[in-house]
Amino acid sequence: DAKTTQPTSMDCAEGRAANLPCNHSTISGNEYVYWYRQIHSQGPQYIIHGLKNNETNEMASLIITEDRKSSTLILPHATLRDTAVYYCISLTQGGSEKLVFGKGTKLTVNP
Amino acid sequence: KAGVTQTPRYLIKTRGQQVTLSCSPISGHRSVSWYQQTPGQGLQFLFEYFSETQRNKGNFPGRFSGRQFSNSRSEMNVSTLELGDSALYLCASTYVGGNYGYTFGSGTRLTVV
Repeated sequence: DAKTTQPTSMDCAEGRAANLPCNHSTISGNEYVYWYRQIHSQGPQYIIHGLKNNETNEMASLIITEDRKSSTLILPHATLRDTAVYYCISLTQGGSEKLVFGKGTKLTVNP
Repeated sequence: KAGVTQTPRYLIKTRGQQVTLSCSPISGHRSVSWYQQTPGQGLQFLFEYFSETQRNKGNFPGRFSGRQFSNSRSEMNVSTLELGDSALYLCASTYVGGNYGYTFGSGTRLTVV
């Protein structure tokens, strides 16, 4: 079973920030938080990951709470092409770690 | 650089047949994982290979098998196909030893009739 919980769906207006929450209350100290997204019928796409510090890249920002029990993925200026299912996953590094996908959040960006 | 390449993109097979799917990872990536995606079960882990060795296996019957070659390319095989094996099969590769995300291919859409 997935170790994270996410809302089933969210809507966002084009051009506005999309804030996608994820709860990972049982995360252990050596587990990272990864975010992927899947646009219909394509393979999942890596977005960003972090351990305890906030992270930013060209696609998004990741805000992790101080207790590490939850995080928020921020798409600063959502476009129609950001409509996808977003998955939050926790996993350790270096081993033969498998990705355990939950049902994710279906984000719909509206014009 | 080239991404993860999966072939074929689409496949139609008959119940009872077997099928082989191929995955070429990103150059330098030595870990290859396979996932099955269906509308009912979502994305499920099949197995992971590193240096030609299976390191981790998901909860799938023995009809599902895989292998990895010395050039890191991987194949998965499904024997005695069942209707329920119809799915999108995804391959992902990663560089082992660092904090890198997995890169997925576009998948092979298998339809069993």
